[in-house]
Amino acid sequence: ETGVTQTPRHLVMGMTNKKSLKCEQHLGHNAMYWYKQSAKKPLELMFVYNFKEQTENNSVPSRFSPECPNSSHLFLHLHTLQPEDSALYLCASSQGRLAALNNEQFFGPGTRLTVL
Amino acid sequence: QKEVEQDPGPLSVPEGAIVSLNCTYSNSAFQYFMWYRQYSRKGPELLMYTYSSGNKEDGRFTAQVDKSSKYISLFIRDSQPSDSATYLCAMSANTGNQFYFGTGTSLTVIP
Repeated sequence: ETGVTQTPRHLVMGMTNKKSLKCEQHLGHNAMYWYKQSAKKPLELMFVYNFKEQTENNSVPSRFSPECPNSSHLFLHLHTLQPEDSALYLCASSQGRLAALNNEQFFGPGTRLTVL
Repeated sequence: QKEVEQDPGPLSVPEGAIVSLNCTYSNSAFQYFMWYRQYSRKGPELLMYTYSSGNKEDGRFTAQVDKSSKYISLFIRDSQPSDSATYLCAMSANTGNQFYFGTGTSLTVIP
């Protein structure tokens, strides 16, 4: 496996379910990100981890709970979601923390989430 | 006011046409400007990266930044059907860990 992988690729869940999204990066990067991508809306940054420490939490509802056990793995735990949470959830990684020169973000293919 | 404005399209052009994609922004602190390409069922991939004002060319792609007007552009010359994708602009300031994205413009190049 190379780059950034995400599982599952598709997920359908009810509002009372609990599920988790997984992201793994094979690039040796130190920073990892969760984004939400909804139709006709800009990518929304949800969480940022740098060296396993959470550095950003953009007012995300508590029904989304991130976990970063090491620099290569990132999880997004989901519980009691709402239909408006249906979207494409993208994971990304970058070498460093700063949005600086040559600090490219590499994205995974995303998990298409549908909440019924 | 949104940080970044981008016309979502869709934009449809014949093969070989020159395509112009644009974004405007409001934050004068933005220094880094990026264009991502996102194919259907894939994550975004970085296409072009520029710092501050000026032009950058890479093959058929040219990125332009006009900081005085807070306006960035991506030009695609001799467009190909394989260029059909959604193009996202993104930008960031000198510090912090936040990238601000546009909504993306959907492009279809018709053979």
